[in-house]
Amino acid sequence: QKEVEQDPGPLSVPEGAIVSLNCTYSNSAFQYFMWYRQYSRKGPELLMYTYSSGNKEDGRFTAQVDKSSKYISLFIRDSQPSDSATYLCAIRLQAGTALIFGKGTTLSVSS
Amino acid sequence: EAQVTQNPRYLITVTGKKLTVTCSQNMNHEYMSWYRQDPGLGLRQIYYSMNVEVTDKGDVPEGYKVSRKEKRNFPLILESPSPNQTSLYFCASSPGGGTRNTEAFFGQGTRLTVV
Repeated sequence: QKEVEQDPGPLSVPEGAIVSLNCTYSNSAFQYFMWYRQYSRKGPELLMYTYSSGNKEDGRFTAQVDKSSKYISLFIRDSQPSDSATYLCAIRLQAGTALIFGKGTTLSVSS
Repeated sequence: EAQVTQNPRYLITVTGKKLTVTCSQNMNHEYMSWYRQDPGLGLRQIYYSMNVEVTDKGDVPEGYKVSRKEKRNFPLILESPSPNQTSLYFCASSPGGGTRNTEAFFGQGTRLTVV
């Protein structure tokens, strides 16, 4: 079993929709959880960072970590065409260990 | 402007010819790392550095070297490149403190082809 699994999509939604992106991970010891957005031919950019469990909100974006289910989510409210990108989840066991990325979900928001 | 700068952006080289990809950040970040991104495999960490003169292997370090002589620079060295090192490479950096466990800023990427 891979350490982190992410459905590659593609996911297509109309403008204004609520988008839910998800990852599952295998080891309950992971402590650090991130979401990145990557536009075509660009480097990833950090969207959300969460330590341990809980929710974190930043504007239209909400990140959720459920450590009991080993499940992380990113919600995008009122999605915009500019949100069209690949979204990568990433997890880290502890400081000084490698950051492990999901393979990314490609999202397309149509106007 | 805060940024991570990689050079070159595109490189085609031949098997066995040593090359260096440079990475520089202007944010005085302690932590820097290198990743490669391949279709179907995603982003994988090659090497990372917690500070000057402190480097360690990531998940896929074979065939690569790094050095961290100055805080701002973290070059990736391929002593004898092979075709299986054809990939898209990213350098990343992070400050210390609460976000030290994230890769906060990524460079624009270097697309390397080894023939």
